[in-house]
Amino acid sequence: DAKTTQPNSMESNEEEPVHLPCNHSTISGTDYIHWYRQLPSQGPEYVIHGLTSNVNNRMASLAIAEDRKSSTLILHRATLRDAAVYYCILRDVPNSGNTPLVFGKGTRLSVIA
Amino acid sequence: KAGVTQTPRYLIKTRGQQVTLSCSPISGHRSVSWYQQTPGQGLQFLFEYFSETQRNKGNFPGRFSGRQFSNSRSEMNVSTLELGDSALYLCASSLVGVPTDTQYFGPGTRLTVL
Repeated sequence: DAKTTQPNSMESNEEEPVHLPCNHSTISGTDYIHWYRQLPSQGPEYVIHGLTSNVNNRMASLAIAEDRKSSTLILHRATLRDAAVYYCILRDVPNSGNTPLVFGKGTRLSVIA
Repeated sequence: KAGVTQTPRYLIKTRGQQVTLSCSPISGHRSVSWYQQTPGQGLQFLFEYFSETQRNKGNFPGRFSGRQFSNSRSEMNVSTLELGDSALYLCASSLVGVPTDTQYFGPGTRLTVL
């Protein structure tokens, strides 16, 4: 599985934007970039995913570098509820079937009121 | 729509016993995956079931097994429990089980082995 590298922890002030980086220099052409987060005492939660173009949804934006070797998850206005561990995950798309989520250590985001 | 449910939420067993955990996916979802989360190893993939067939398997010993029923509900079983099996066991379901599908996780079953 292709590997991702994320900072162990980051801190943000409430209501400010947060940029969570992820490096994936060995990404292959068929790898999708997925982000999940895990709030305290909960199962992981899907945030966003993309392949080549930047993506937006109601939770966040995903900015993907042109060479796809890195990406950034953007939370536009952090709230206390966004304090979680954020996982950047590459998922290959095989000819058929599925590939599991391979979780790294993620980035622990703290949000300060 | 109801989310993924897992039962029981908490379980205490002793070494050598066996345990069965249950997962009910979101209605209409056909793929169910199981993950183990420990402080030391983080989140690790156990196996995935799709249409009652195991499709993918992680690197766990044969003591860990699972099955899926025709209504997509899934169970996982751990036999001959060891102290190191103490973990949060998470179940996730997805609609058609492809890599672009969103996986929806349940709250997990916290297993403690004494």
